[in-house]
Amino acid sequence: EVQLVESGGGLVQPGGSLRLSCAASGFTFNSYVMSWVRQAPGKGLEWVSAISGSGGSTYYAESVKGRFTISRDNSQNTLYLQMNSLRAEDTAVYYCAKDHSSNCELGFDYWGQGTLVTVSS
Amino acid sequence: QSVLTQPPSVSAAPGQKVTISCSGSSSNIGNNYVSWYQQLPGTAPKLLIYDNNKRPSGIPDRFSGSKSGTSATLAITGLLTGDEADYYCGTWDSSLSAGVFGSGTKVTVL
Repeated sequence: EVQLVESGGGLVQPGGSLRLSCAASGFTFNSYVMSWVRQAPGKGLEWVSAISGSGGSTYYAESVKGRFTISRDNSQNTLYLQMNSLRAEDTAVYYCAKDHSSNCELGFDYWGQGTLVTVSS
Repeated sequence: QSVLTQPPSVSAAPGQKVTISCSGSSSNIGNNYVSWYQQLPGTAPKLLIYDNNKRPSGIPDRFSGSKSGTSATLAITGLLTGDEADYYCGTWDSSLSAGVFGSGTKVTVL
């Protein structure tokens, strides 16, 4: 059974940092593109970042470029999102998601339960 | 402002059909696969359609997807009260080298 379990969310002050983790199980982790998707309260889905199966290619939304870093540890089947210089507009539920393909297609067949990040003073 | 345009809401009576459009451009829908998601309140999105028109196992054939040029459509037939949810389209944008979602469409069963 495929499982994605996020952790690391919480309350952080503007300008602060947070690292999200997503523990994956039940599939060959290094074969698939993984992404982070967020959803601000009462708003729609926003794709944040993606990383190839090997970790050699990374992609970012313009809104987080230069502040967030996606990475993965294929030996630990874990996906990460390092978030720096956080802003109030980064407040959202963050989901990790598995693409059904080894390419970036946004065909996410499995999602985590989400972890809430709140940026506020 | 989303790169992909969806109608804010659609509605129909139980048993009827609704269609949800998703309009983009050649850099996204025109040259990449489209996926569709259903999101019930308080839950993670669920994949309904991938690769324009394929259904994951367990998704009923009441849900179907199509694509023509720079637009895609999700159709839901035999509408059930349980289909009341938000629906999103998503695809890759080759010019942005980024993923993009539509703004979402709320389906109401009258």
